[in-house]
Amino acid sequence: AQRVTQPEKLLSVFKGAPVELKCNYSYSGSPELFWYVQYSRQRLQLLLRHISRESIKGFTADLNKGETSFHLKKPFAQEEDSAMYYCALTGGNNRLAFGKGNQVVVIP
Amino acid sequence: GAVVSQHPSRVICKSGTSVKIECRSLDFQATTMFWYRQFPKQSLMLMATSNEGSKATYEQGVEKDKFLINHASLTLSTLTVTSAHPEDSSFYICSAKGPGPRDTGELFFGEGSRLTVL
Repeated sequence: AQRVTQPEKLLSVFKGAPVELKCNYSYSGSPELFWYVQYSRQRLQLLLRHISRESIKGFTADLNKGETSFHLKKPFAQEEDSAMYYCALTGGNNRLAFGKGNQVVVIP
Repeated sequence: GAVVSQHPSRVICKSGTSVKIECRSLDFQATTMFWYRQFPKQSLMLMATSNEGSKATYEQGVEKDKFLINHASLTLSTLTVTSAHPEDSSFYICSAKGPGPRDTGELFFGEGSRLTVL
């Protein structure tokens, strides 16, 4: 079974401060991990995926298979980063299992 | 990028009636679409996988007779909530795998449909 855990629901950070959203997963096979973001009044959209190993909008996430984690990080939060962030996992068949999400509020 | 559109965005119905929600891929063909349900302040729960030209695959605990899914064309999947009850009130979101390479894993989401059953 696929399971994604995002422990904190609400994260408030000051502008310019680092932000880290934790994501742990449980999957018996070889997973593909994603972070999706939903800005206010917009639809869910892909932020980044682990296979790309790229930085998007200053965010990075590294897959740690030993710790079964895929934490999302950004060194300096911006106001436009305020959004809901969902960690998601698939076993390769596009059936995404989502975590409960993190509400990020960046305080000016 | 690929665009997925849902209609209606909001619907209010009486208990006992049926409601149909449409999900369209606007500029690409989607052989597979996914239907999610989201409760307030909670995560998205996968309900079913909709396959063009074949029966949908439902997740455990989702009633197939309650939530009818039809994927009659490569650009349209519909979710019909039959004999709706207040507990069916929720936010329903569809998504489709994009037109890129098969292993990208990226899904494109519709804007969601809020169903309120009185």
